[in-house]
Amino acid sequence: NAGVTQTPKFQVLKTGQSMTLQCAQDMNHEYMSWYRQDPGMGLRLIHYSVGAGITDQGEVPNGYNVSRSTTEDFPLRLLSAAPSQTSVYFCASSPTGGLGSGNTIYFGEGSWLTVV
Amino acid sequence: DAKTTQPNSMESNEEEPVHLPCNHSTISGTDYIHWYRQLPSQGPEYVIHGLTSNVNNRMASLAIAEDRKSSTLILHRATLRDAAVYYCILRDGASGTYKYIFGTGTRLKVLA
Repeated sequence: NAGVTQTPKFQVLKTGQSMTLQCAQDMNHEYMSWYRQDPGMGLRLIHYSVGAGITDQGEVPNGYNVSRSTTEDFPLRLLSAAPSQTSVYFCASSPTGGLGSGNTIYFGEGSWLTVV
Repeated sequence: DAKTTQPNSMESNEEEPVHLPCNHSTISGTDYIHWYRQLPSQGPEYVIHGLTSNVNNRMASLAIAEDRKSSTLILHRATLRDAAVYYCILRDGASGTYKYIFGTGTRLKVLA
């Protein structure tokens, strides 16, 4: 099983550019989420989804858009990149019910984004 | 919102037990307590979880207070490979919400 796959692994953007970080999972998980992790800091929740067609905001949603058209994919779009969005981005997925029902979360390997 | 409080950092000698505490005084009755760890330059990985009773697996043990307002992750014999940031996680908010907040975690340093 591939698990949670993120692409690209590394990306450099210029301020103002837009881009999409891709996330795909092959475990038929309904719950998916995006986190960002700044150097030396913990993970902060950006957006999450509990199923196809359903998304909601996390702790730090500004500057990011998400959509969930299929169970497998949950792309994260940066609308107009800013240096403050330089970070490592992690996608995660979990079976229905997420942590609240005891299910574990599976993380991708991360996408390193630098905005110059 | 359910929040967790963990010490910023801890140190342990290799081959000795490590007790990593977590306070979660606002936990709701059906929230599971999960522990994850993050090795350098990697995504977080699952360690253990529990609801009310103490739990053991091949990686660690989880001791949950009777009132569920705190828990302790126990690494029985720390190795250098256990050096990581350990996160205690609860479901954030009332039942039915899915905001899983990680917090800042505890950075464990293992001394050879």
